[in-house]
Amino acid sequence: AQSVTQLGSHVSVSEGALVLLRCNYSSSVPPYLFWYVQYPNQGLQLLLKYTSAATLVKGINGFEAEFKKSETSFHLTKPSAHMSDAAEYFCAVRLNAGNMLTFGGGTRLMVKP
Amino acid sequence: DSGVTQTPKHLITATGQRVTLRCSPRSGDLSVYWYQQSLDQGLQFLIHYYNGEERAKGNILERFSAQQFPDLHSELNLSSLELGDSALYFCASSVNSGDQETQYFGPGTRLLVL
Repeated sequence: AQSVTQLGSHVSVSEGALVLLRCNYSSSVPPYLFWYVQYPNQGLQLLLKYTSAATLVKGINGFEAEFKKSETSFHLTKPSAHMSDAAEYFCAVRLNAGNMLTFGGGTRLMVKP
Repeated sequence: DSGVTQTPKHLITATGQRVTLRCSPRSGDLSVYWYQQSLDQGLQFLIHYYNGEERAKGNILERFSAQQFPDLHSELNLSSLELGDSALYFCASSVNSGDQETQYFGPGTRLLVL
């Protein structure tokens, strides 16, 4: 069985500061990993995904994530936060194609002016 | 816009009632997944259909059922509703294209049971 842990249910950064959202996973087999973003009153939008190609994955809106097998981590980063980045971010793992996603508890990112 | 549509957007009903949530997947997608998002349970997988057949079940209550029709749209039926069923219900669709499979989510249906 797979599981996902997101450290920090709330993260607050200043505009222009580095964004770091943490995600650790457990899986019995090499997983596929995803980050989704949920803006208020909206659905989930895919930010980026890791599917065993490059370990550093670039996504939309300037976000990227690095898969570190030794640390079982897939942390999400962005060099400079914008006010528009304020949202809830979910890390998810999937074992194989055609399988469901298992989500972490989510991290709400707040960006201060 | 992900291309996945869900109706209705909001639903308010009373305990004991039955509701049907509808999902239309992206054009060409054969898989539909249903998820429930609640404050206490987070985002949880409910059920997966592929080309009309049930493929996997997650934490779905016996009071809940789903089906996928020949035109590939799906419906999630919730019956004997309880206060705790109040949640945001998402569907997602994918083409099942191997390693590159990505689930695209609809905007959700917000259910409030009073």
